Amino acid sequence: GQNIDQPTEMTATEGAIVQINCTYQTSGFNGLFWYQQHAGEAPTFLSYNVLDGLEEKGRFSSFLSRSKGYSYLLLKELQMKDSASYLCAVSDSNYQLIWGAGTKLIIKP
Amino acid sequence: GAVVSQHPSRVICKSGTSVKIECRSLDFQATTMFWYRQFPKQSLMLMATSNEGSKATYEQGVEKDKFLINHASLTLSTLTVTSAHPEDSSFYICSASSGGGGNSPLHFGNGTRLTVT
Repeated sequence: GQNIDQPTEMTATEGAIVQINCTYQTSGFNGLFWYQQHAGEAPTFLSYNVLDGLEEKGRFSSFLSRSKGYSYLLLKELQMKDSASYLCAVSDSNYQLIWGAGTKLIIKP
Repeated sequence: GAVVSQHPSRVICKSGTSVKIECRSLDFQATTMFWYRQFPKQSLMLMATSNEGSKATYEQGVEKDKFLINHASLTLSTLTVTSAHPEDSSFYICSASSGGGGNSPLHFGNGTRLTVT
């Protein structure tokens, strides 16, 4: 079966750095997405990785290792507004998105 | 950027009635739109893939006669929850891709919070 694993919840301090991991087992791979979802709102796109390596976008970076079936989202200089759920999703061989359950990130002052 | 508009944002209805949710791509054409349902503290669950001009493709376990999908144009898809019951109360979200490839990011509507009393 297809599976995406990510931690249920993480806590970090304002101004710090946090890394949210995602591991996947899917039938085929056509890229991995990270989305941010604030409570009661729809997800918004953060990043897309299809090749190995690190993609940096401002305070957010996303890393992919296809051989390990592993990705992480790195958030720097955390702000209170970064408190949200972060969803990892993999596009499989049929370009169907397989979604992780999301990681709830709690930022403390 | 690509914008997806979803309406209504909140709806409360009585058990047994039907509710229609609209999803529009405002600045791009979407041959395919996706309908998701999300229960509290759970991940997105794909309900169906809506294809313009053809029948929707439903995921296993989703009743096509209960969740009617119509994708009559390249910018509009509708989801109708028929004979709604309290267990249908959930957050319904539509999405579409502005790119032609299956690996283009999805743009989401703001979601519809449905409460069935």
